[in-house]
Order: sequence, then structure tokens, then C-alpha cells
Amino acid sequence: SFVLTQPPSVSVAPGRTASVTCGGNNIERKNVHWYQQKPGQAPVLVIYYDSDRPSGIPERFSGSNSGNTATLTISRVEVGDEADYYCQVWHGGSDHPVFGGGTKLIVL
Amino acid sequence: EVQLVESGGGLVQPGRSLRLSCAASGFIFDDYAMHWVRQAPGKGLEWVAGINWSGGTVRYADSVKGRFTISRDNAKQSLFLQMDSLRADDTAFYYCAKVDTSGLGVGRFNPWGQGTLVTVSS
Repeated sequence: SFVLTQPPSVSVAPGRTASVTCGGNNIERKNVHWYQQKPGQAPVLVIYYDSDRPSGIPERFSGSNSGNTATLTISRVEVGDEADYYCQVWHGGSDHPVFGGGTKLIVL
Repeated sequence: EVQLVESGGGLVQPGRSLRLSCAASGFIFDDYAMHWVRQAPGKGLEWVAGINWSGGTVRYADSVKGRFTISRDNAKQSLFLQMDSLRADDTAFYYCAKVDTSGLGVGRFNPWGQGTLVTVSS
């Protein structure tokens, strides 16, 4: 099956830029979706199809996908961005979605 | 506003059954595929099962295949998950989620319900 690898945590100071990576074999050939999950809440879609933003998601959130790594970038990080972030793709041929293990964004 | 509300969770003994429901509103339910995703306490997201718009195509994670059954009632705008032969490692929050397509194998999960907790313990 297709494996997505995320760092367990990323730390960033308020106002700086955070990058959360999602590694997978030739992931650039897949559409990557990103979800934000704050403690005690359900996941929320923040980026879809690599780099599109749903309505209501701040422009500070952006995404890219190249080679073996997809990246969620959060600019001008705020304390309220502290959450777990998950990447997700579809495993071709099985109709099964695959989630990365999640990255805890820590705002120092 | 699109809304998904799960219900049916609770404490159940190993080997017993439980049926989860997800009530949908704010969109044309039978235009979209639906899924169940679970999250064990303190762990990551794990997809459980998916069903296409008509209910004619279903898919399951290997961990639940043969024990769980996903179904839908389009007339009642409801999604279900019948969970049989429950095990301790099925303990998790169970979320229903809508995708933006009618079929399986594609799309983003948006939105998610608030989740319902299933605890399997004696």
C-alpha cells in the first residue's frame, strides 16, 4: 500500500513560516489533501488538490507538491494555528484513502 | 449549511455489536459518496469504509473487512456503520465524512461530523 510519511512535530515562532511535509513515492503524481485538527475537534479541510484553499481558510495556508514531497506552508503563523495536520491521498487501484501519520504544529 | 451528525457510540463489550448513524443535511445526499474514518485516542486518522452515492459500491479497510458493514438510506439522508465482533482495538472516535464526488477513490473529505466515541471494553 501507499505510505505517507510526516514528521511527528514542527515548531515555529508566531509570525514566522511553518512547513509541514508529507513524503511518498512519486507523490507528485497524486492529488494531496490536507486537514487541520485542533484538540477535541473534528478534522477540517485546509488544502485540497495540492494547493487549492476551501472558502473560509486564510490565504496564509498554501500547498505544493513536487517529486516525492508535498508541503503545507503556513505563513505568519498564529497561536490559533497550533493543531495536528494530516495529509491524505487516494491509493490508486484500491479506492482506499491513505492518511499520513500527522504532524503536531507547535507554536512557541 | 452542510452538516453531519453522528450518533450511536458508547461502551460495548468485546464480541458485541454496535450500529452508528450519521444524519446529513444541507446538501443533496444522494449526489455524494460517504465515508467513515476513525481515530483511536491520541492516534492518527484511519479510514474505515466508504460507499458510493447509490450504495451499490462499498469498500473497507482490511482491519474491519468481514466485521463492519457500511450502508446508506438516501431517502432519510442517513449513513450507517454496522459494527460486529467488536474488539478492543476498535476503540476510537468514529467520524462520518462527505466527499465531493459520487464515486469512490477520489475527492476530499469535507466536511466531517463531530464524531462519536466507541469504547470496546469488558
